[in-house]
Amino acid sequence: KQEVTQIPAALSVPEGENLVLNCSFTDSAIYNLQWFRQDPGKGLTSLLLIQSSQREQTSGRLNASLDKSSGRSTLYIAASQPGDSATYLCAANSGGYQKVTFGTGTKLQVIP
Amino acid sequence: DGGITQSPKYLFRKEGQNVTLSCEQNLNHDAMYWYRQDPGQGLRLIYYSQIVNDFQKGDIAEGYSVSREKKESFPLTVTSAQKNPTAFYLCASNRGDYGYTFGSGTRLTVV
Repeated sequence: KQEVTQIPAALSVPEGENLVLNCSFTDSAIYNLQWFRQDPGKGLTSLLLIQSSQREQTSGRLNASLDKSSGRSTLYIAASQPGDSATYLCAANSGGYQKVTFGTGTKLQVIP
Repeated sequence: DGGITQSPKYLFRKEGQNVTLSCEQNLNHDAMYWYRQDPGQGLRLIYYSQIVNDFQKGDIAEGYSVSREKKESFPLTVTSAQKNPTAFYLCASNRGDYGYTFGSGTRLTVV
C-alpha cells in the first residue's frame, strides 16, 4: 500500500528565503505526482503535475522535481513571499481511479 | 472558465437528518471523486465514479451515498448512519492519468 509522507509538518521562514518542501512515497511505481496548495477553509489548487517520465516541472517561482528510484519529490519555492503562506500537499498516483494517495501536507508560514 | 462548483459552502446537520452536498463540473471529465478531510489527516476517499450511472466505494463509504445521473454532477448524501460527519468535504474530477481538479469544499457541522 502506497504511503506518502511530508516532513516537516510545519515550516516558518522569513520573506525572501528560498525553500524546499519534501514529499516521500513508498511505492516507486507511480504514474504521476501532483503538488497542491490549500489555503485555510479552501479547496486544493493544483500547482504542478509531474508525469513519471519527467524529472521536473516549473511554473514561475515554483519548481518540482521527481526521483522515482528514491521515492522522493521536492517542491522548490524561490524568493518566498507572505502570499505563499498556505499548506502544501503532494499526491502520488499509482494508477487507477482510487490509487491516488495524499500526504498530510506541510504548513508554510512566510514572515514579512 | 472550467471548474468544479461545490455548494453550499457551509452546511449544518441536525441529529438523524440526511443532507446532500452538491458537486458540478464543466470540465468534461469522466471521473469524479468525493474526499473527506479532517484536521491532521490526509484526504480520505469516500466514493468515486468513472462514468455515468456507475460509482464505487472508497475507503470510508459507510454512512454516505452518491449518484451519477449526469456526467457533470456527482452529489453526495451524508446519511444519519454516519455518526461523525463533521468534516470538510472536497469534490474532485480528472481525466485519465492527468491531474486532479478540486472544488472549493463544503464544511459540514453537526448541531
